[in-house]
Amino acid sequence: QQQVKQSPQSLIVQKGGISIINCAYENTAFDYFPWYQQFPGKGPALLIAIRPDVSEKKEGRFTISFNKSAKQFSLHIMDSQPGDSATYFCAAGKGGGNKLTFGTGTQLKVEL
Amino acid sequence: GAVVSQHPSWVICKSGTSVKIECRSLDFQATTMFWYRQFPKQSLMLMATSNEGSKATYEQGVEKDKFLINHASLTLSTLTVTSAHPEDSSFYICSAKRDISTGELFFGEGSRLTVL
Repeated sequence: QQQVKQSPQSLIVQKGGISIINCAYENTAFDYFPWYQQFPGKGPALLIAIRPDVSEKKEGRFTISFNKSAKQFSLHIMDSQPGDSATYFCAAGKGGGNKLTFGTGTQLKVEL
Repeated sequence: GAVVSQHPSWVICKSGTSVKIECRSLDFQATTMFWYRQFPKQSLMLMATSNEGSKATYEQGVEKDKFLINHASLTLSTLTVTSAHPEDSSFYICSAKRDISTGELFFGEGSRLTVL
Protein backbone atom coordinates (compact mmCIF):
# COMPACT_ATOMS: atom_id res chain seq x y z
CA GLN A 1 0.00 0.00 0.00
CA GLN A 2 3.06 2.20 0.23
CA GLN A 3 3.98 1.83 -3.43
CA VAL A 4 4.03 4.59 -5.98
CA LYS A 5 3.96 3.30 -9.54
CA GLN A 6 5.53 5.45 -12.23
CA SER A 7 5.44 5.22 -16.02
CA PRO A 8 6.96 5.24 -18.52
CA GLN A 9 10.39 4.01 -17.52
CA SER A 10 11.95 6.02 -20.32
CA LEU A 11 10.72 8.69 -22.68
CA ILE A 12 12.10 10.38 -25.78
CA VAL A 13 10.55 13.68 -26.82
CA GLN A 14 11.40 16.10 -29.59
CA LYS A 15 12.45 19.60 -28.66
CA GLY A 16 9.38 21.77 -28.21
CA GLY A 17 7.14 18.81 -27.51
CA ILE A 18 5.23 17.88 -24.37
CA SER A 19 6.66 15.34 -21.95
CA ILE A 20 4.12 13.48 -19.85
CA ILE A 21 4.98 11.23 -16.91
CA ASN A 22 2.36 9.43 -14.87
CA CYS A 23 2.20 8.14 -11.32
CA ALA A 24 -0.35 6.17 -9.34
CA TYR A 25 -0.55 5.55 -5.63
CA GLU A 26 -2.56 3.28 -3.37
CA ASN A 27 -2.39 4.80 0.10
CA THR A 28 -5.19 7.34 0.50
CA ALA A 29 -3.36 8.81 3.50
CA PHE A 30 -0.82 10.42 1.19
CA ASP A 31 -1.35 14.18 1.11
CA TYR A 32 1.78 15.57 -0.51
CA PHE A 33 2.89 14.79 -4.06
CA PRO A 34 6.19 16.26 -5.26
CA TRP A 35 8.13 15.76 -8.47
CA TYR A 36 11.90 15.72 -8.46
CA GLN A 37 14.46 16.12 -11.24
CA GLN A 38 17.78 14.34 -10.96
CA PHE A 39 20.85 14.71 -13.15
CA PRO A 40 23.52 11.97 -13.17
CA GLY A 41 25.66 12.01 -10.04
CA LYS A 42 23.53 14.65 -8.35
CA GLY A 43 20.86 14.65 -5.69
CA PRO A 44 17.20 15.18 -6.61
CA ALA A 45 15.92 18.73 -6.91
CA LEU A 46 12.30 19.64 -6.24
CA LEU A 47 10.48 20.74 -9.38
CA ILE A 48 6.92 21.20 -8.27
CA ALA A 49 4.57 19.74 -5.69
CA ILE A 50 0.84 19.52 -5.13
CA ARG A 51 -1.54 18.75 -2.30
CA PRO A 52 -4.86 16.93 -2.85
CA ASP A 53 -7.04 19.99 -2.36
CA VAL A 54 -6.29 21.17 -5.91
CA SER A 55 -6.49 19.34 -9.22
CA GLU A 56 -3.78 21.22 -11.07
CA LYS A 57 -0.74 23.34 -10.34
CA LYS A 58 1.39 25.13 -12.88
CA GLU A 59 4.84 26.63 -12.47
CA GLY A 60 6.41 27.87 -15.65
CA ARG A 61 6.64 25.00 -18.13
CA PHE A 62 5.83 22.39 -15.48
CA THR A 63 2.29 21.35 -14.60
CA ILE A 64 1.02 18.74 -12.17
CA SER A 65 -2.41 17.26 -12.80
CA PHE A 66 -3.96 15.46 -9.85
CA ASN A 67 -6.92 13.06 -9.89
CA LYS A 68 -7.82 12.21 -6.32
CA SER A 69 -10.58 9.73 -7.15
CA ALA A 70 -8.30 7.78 -9.48
CA LYS A 71 -5.32 8.17 -7.14
CA GLN A 72 -3.19 9.35 -10.02
CA PHE A 73 -1.05 12.36 -10.75
CA SER A 74 1.06 13.38 -13.67
CA LEU A 75 3.79 15.79 -14.67
CA HIS A 76 3.57 17.70 -17.92
CA ILE A 77 6.62 19.48 -19.27
CA MET A 78 5.62 21.94 -21.97
CA ASP A 79 8.02 23.09 -24.71
CA SER A 80 10.52 20.41 -23.67
CA GLN A 81 14.17 21.40 -24.07
CA PRO A 82 17.38 19.33 -24.28
CA GLY A 83 18.33 20.73 -20.87
CA ASP A 84 15.28 18.95 -19.45
CA SER A 85 16.94 15.60 -20.20
CA ALA A 86 17.20 13.98 -16.77
CA THR A 87 15.55 11.39 -14.59
CA TYR A 88 12.26 12.41 -13.03
CA PHE A 89 10.84 10.92 -9.87
CA CYS A 90 7.38 11.32 -8.48
CA ALA A 91 6.91 10.85 -4.77
CA ALA A 92 4.17 10.75 -2.19
CA GLY A 93 4.17 11.60 1.48
CA LYS A 94 1.76 11.86 4.37
CA GLY A 95 1.42 14.08 7.37
CA GLY A 96 4.06 16.61 8.29
CA GLY A 97 6.93 14.21 8.48
CA ASN A 98 7.77 14.20 4.80
CA LYS A 99 8.69 10.55 4.81
CA LEU A 100 8.48 10.19 1.06
CA THR A 101 7.87 7.12 -1.03
CA PHE A 102 9.44 7.51 -4.45
CA GLY A 103 8.32 6.22 -7.81
CA THR A 104 10.68 4.15 -9.93
CA GLY A 105 11.82 7.06 -12.08
CA THR A 106 11.51 8.09 -15.72
CA GLN A 107 14.54 8.78 -17.83
CA LEU A 108 13.64 11.63 -20.16
CA LYS A 109 15.63 12.48 -23.25
CA VAL A 110 14.74 15.54 -25.27
CA GLU A 111 16.15 15.40 -28.78
CA LEU A 112 16.89 18.30 -31.08
CA GLY B 1 16.43 28.18 -1.83
CA ALA B 2 17.66 26.24 1.15
CA VAL B 3 20.92 24.34 0.81
CA VAL B 4 21.84 20.90 2.05
CA SER B 5 25.48 19.93 1.81
CA GLN B 6 26.87 16.41 1.85
CA HIS B 7 30.47 15.49 2.43
CA PRO B 8 32.32 13.73 0.99
CA SER B 9 30.79 13.73 -2.47
CA TRP B 10 32.66 10.55 -3.24
CA VAL B 11 34.77 8.14 -1.24
CA ILE B 12 36.65 4.94 -1.98
CA CYS B 13 37.52 2.65 0.89
CA LYS B 14 38.83 -0.82 1.54
CA SER B 15 36.56 -3.63 2.61
CA GLY B 16 36.23 -3.81 6.38
CA THR B 17 36.76 -0.14 7.06
CA SER B 18 34.14 2.37 8.23
CA VAL B 19 33.10 5.46 6.36
CA LYS B 20 31.32 8.53 7.70
CA ILE B 21 29.12 10.75 5.52
CA GLU B 22 27.97 14.15 6.74
CA CYS B 23 24.76 15.95 5.88
CA ARG B 24 24.46 19.62 6.80
CA SER B 25 21.64 22.08 6.39
CA LEU B 26 23.57 25.26 5.66
CA ASP B 27 20.98 27.99 6.13
CA PHE B 28 18.16 26.45 8.10
CA GLN B 29 17.52 24.24 11.09
CA ALA B 30 16.35 20.69 10.50
CA THR B 31 15.10 18.59 13.38
CA THR B 32 14.41 15.80 10.92
CA MET B 33 16.66 14.49 8.20
CA PHE B 34 16.34 11.44 6.01
CA TRP B 35 18.91 9.08 4.54
CA TYR B 36 18.33 7.37 1.20
CA ARG B 37 20.24 4.84 -0.82
CA GLN B 38 20.16 4.74 -4.59
CA PHE B 39 21.55 2.06 -6.88
CA PRO B 40 22.38 2.89 -10.53
CA LYS B 41 19.30 3.68 -12.57
CA GLN B 42 17.04 2.88 -9.67
CA SER B 43 14.83 4.82 -7.32
CA LEU B 44 15.65 6.27 -3.93
CA MET B 45 15.06 3.88 -1.08
CA LEU B 46 14.55 5.38 2.36
CA MET B 47 16.97 3.90 4.86
CA ALA B 48 16.20 5.82 8.02
CA THR B 49 14.76 8.94 9.57
CA SER B 50 17.23 10.93 11.63
CA ASN B 51 15.85 12.95 14.53
CA GLU B 52 17.90 15.52 16.41
CA GLY B 53 18.54 14.44 19.95
CA SER B 54 16.98 11.01 19.66
CA LYS B 55 17.57 7.65 18.04
CA ALA B 56 17.08 7.24 14.33
CA THR B 57 14.15 5.28 12.99
CA TYR B 58 15.21 2.63 10.52
CA GLU B 59 13.17 1.19 7.68
CA GLN B 60 12.46 -2.49 7.56
CA GLY B 61 15.46 -4.46 6.35
CA VAL B 62 18.04 -1.79 7.13
CA GLU B 63 20.63 -2.92 9.68
CA LYS B 64 20.94 -0.24 12.35
CA ASP B 65 24.29 -1.60 13.52
CA LYS B 66 25.60 -1.46 9.99
CA PHE B 67 24.39 2.03 9.20
CA LEU B 68 24.92 4.21 12.26
CA ILE B 69 23.10 7.52 12.25
CA ASN B 70 23.81 10.42 14.57
CA HIS B 71 21.91 13.71 14.55
CA ALA B 72 23.85 15.70 17.09
CA SER B 73 22.68 19.18 16.17
CA LEU B 74 19.88 20.93 14.32
CA THR B 75 22.07 21.27 11.24
CA LEU B 76 24.08 18.06 11.09
CA SER B 77 23.33 14.38 10.65
CA THR B 78 25.95 11.74 9.98
CA LEU B 79 25.71 8.28 8.45
CA THR B 80 28.50 5.84 9.25
CA VAL B 81 28.76 2.69 7.17
CA THR B 82 30.54 0.28 9.47
CA SER B 83 32.73 -2.57 8.28
CA ALA B 84 31.93 -1.70 4.70
CA HIS B 85 31.78 -4.40 2.04
CA PRO B 86 31.52 -4.15 -1.75
CA GLU B 87 27.76 -4.66 -1.60
CA ASP B 88 27.52 -1.42 0.39
CA SER B 89 28.79 0.49 -2.63
CA SER B 90 26.03 2.87 -3.57
CA PHE B 91 24.93 6.49 -3.86
CA TYR B 92 23.80 7.78 -0.47
CA ILE B 93 21.59 10.86 -0.38
CA CYS B 94 20.32 12.84 2.56
CA SER B 95 17.42 15.24 2.76
CA ALA B 96 16.40 17.74 5.39
CA LYS B 97 13.03 19.14 6.36
CA ARG B 98 13.18 22.78 7.33
CA ASP B 99 11.68 23.24 10.79
CA ILE B 100 9.69 26.23 9.62
CA SER B 101 8.36 24.83 6.42
CA THR B 102 5.35 24.22 4.27
CA GLY B 103 6.58 20.68 3.85
CA GLU B 104 9.37 20.93 1.34
CA LEU B 105 12.34 18.60 1.59
CA PHE B 106 15.75 19.73 0.46
CA PHE B 107 18.16 17.12 -0.84
CA GLY B 108 21.90 16.97 -0.67
CA GLU B 109 24.07 16.33 -3.71
CA GLY B 110 24.68 12.74 -2.69
CA SER B 111 27.77 10.77 -1.72
CA ARG B 112 29.14 8.03 -3.94
CA LEU B 113 30.65 5.21 -1.87
CA THR B 114 32.83 2.59 -3.53
CA VAL B 115 34.10 -0.27 -1.40
CA LEU B 116 36.98 -2.22 -2.88
